[in-house]
Amino acid sequence: GDSVTQMEGPVTLSEEAFLTINCTYTATGYPSLFWYVQYPGEGLQLLLKATKADDKGSNKGFEATYRKETTSFHLEKGSVQVSDSAVYFCALRGNQFYFGTGTSLTVIP
Amino acid sequence: DVKVTQSSRYLVKRTGEKVFLECVQDMDHENMFWYRQDPGLGLRLIYFSYDVKMKEKGDIPEGYSVSREKKERFSLILESASTNQTSMYLCASSLLGTGGGQPQHFGDGTRLSIL
Repeated sequence: GDSVTQMEGPVTLSEEAFLTINCTYTATGYPSLFWYVQYPGEGLQLLLKATKADDKGSNKGFEATYRKETTSFHLEKGSVQVSDSAVYFCALRGNQFYFGTGTSLTVIP
Repeated sequence: DVKVTQSSRYLVKRTGEKVFLECVQDMDHENMFWYRQDPGLGLRLIYFSYDVKMKEKGDIPEGYSVSREKKERFSLILESASTNQTSMYLCASSLLGTGGGQPQHFGDGTRLSIL
């Protein structure tokens, strides 16, 4: 069945460092892929999405490219800020929604 | 913007009580979902509904039931609350079709403590 695997956390970075959070997926057909962000004490917010191979989703300086050949959708940001500290979830939508287990990011000044 | 509203941010109940968690969405979405979120376990689907009065079990339905009498409202019911149901509960909604990459939209969550 479909599934999502994302890198284990927690991840701690200094402000202005480069961020990569890995996400790979298993799916039949052509799923849509998403990244969500969850700030402390809140629900999940959609960060970005991609609906087909080679699509790049981007928002708030974050980017992820739908790579069908490697079944990946890694999240990247060139320069993180303290305000980016949150939990990040990779997700896919095939016939149902599937979520990764989340990666906690802490950015220190 | 889609708005998914959960009735309570924090709730404290006692063991054995019947607990109702309410969720309302304002975008005429067909699908609605209830998840619980626990540290280290990610999101686990409890129940979902794709239409009024329709419901489907998710991965962990035991000890829970749901009600969807109106399209915009999806209620989660803990029939007899137990301490192992202490958790963060998240409601979500989405459009029915999979085309166009329709995402789920989440509420702010209800942090439920069972004493």
